[in-house]
Amino acid sequence: QVQLQESGPGLVKPSETLSLICTVYGYSISSGYCWGWIRQPPGKGLEWIGSIYHSGSTYYNPSLKSRVTILVDTSKKQFSLTLTSVTAADTAIYYCASGDSFDIWGQGTMVTVSS
Amino acid sequence: QSVLTQPPSASETPGQRVTISCSGSTSNIGINYVYWYQQLPGTAPKLLIYRNNQRPSGVPDRFSGSKSGTSASLAISGLRSEDEADYYCAAWDDSLSGYVFGTGTKVTVL
Repeated sequence: QVQLQESGPGLVKPSETLSLICTVYGYSISSGYCWGWIRQPPGKGLEWIGSIYHSGSTYYNPSLKSRVTILVDTSKKQFSLTLTSVTAADTAIYYCASGDSFDIWGQGTMVTVSS
Repeated sequence: QSVLTQPPSASETPGQRVTISCSGSTSNIGINYVYWYQQLPGTAPKLLIYRNNQRPSGVPDRFSGSKSGTSASLAISGLRSEDEADYYCAAWDDSLSGYVFGTGTKVTVL
């Protein structure tokens, strides 16, 4: 049974970089599959951030593309999200998810952008 | 930035049927699979329907999905109090080369 767990700082200052890690349990991340990040501002809907495929191909939300990087670290069984130059508009619950169906989700981690 | 439109709310009494619509375009729903997610209060979303009408293991057959043209629907029959949640549709959009989510529908069991 695949399980995902997000981790990272809960508070980031404006203009700085947000970095989150998603650790994968119960599945060999090097075996392939697809891994993604989705976020949800407080009281609002879901927004896809980006996905990375086992081939190494990445796809990013066009509205965030210039600021986003998603990488996989197979040795650590993790994949990561980096979002640069954050503003208050990036305050949200950040979820990692697996598969092109987003069939498994992590519990989510709240990130607040504030000085 | 949602390009998939859903009604903001839907409600029905226990035991009844409720249907949620998801309107898209030829670049997303019209040519790609539709997915549905259920988000109970304070929890992460959960995959409810994949590939338009397929249920993952463990999802009751009270939940069903369909697609026609550039629109899709999620039906919940035999509505229960535990079905009170937010529901989101999603699809890949070829024009954006990315996934798009619906605006979300809050289902209330009266």
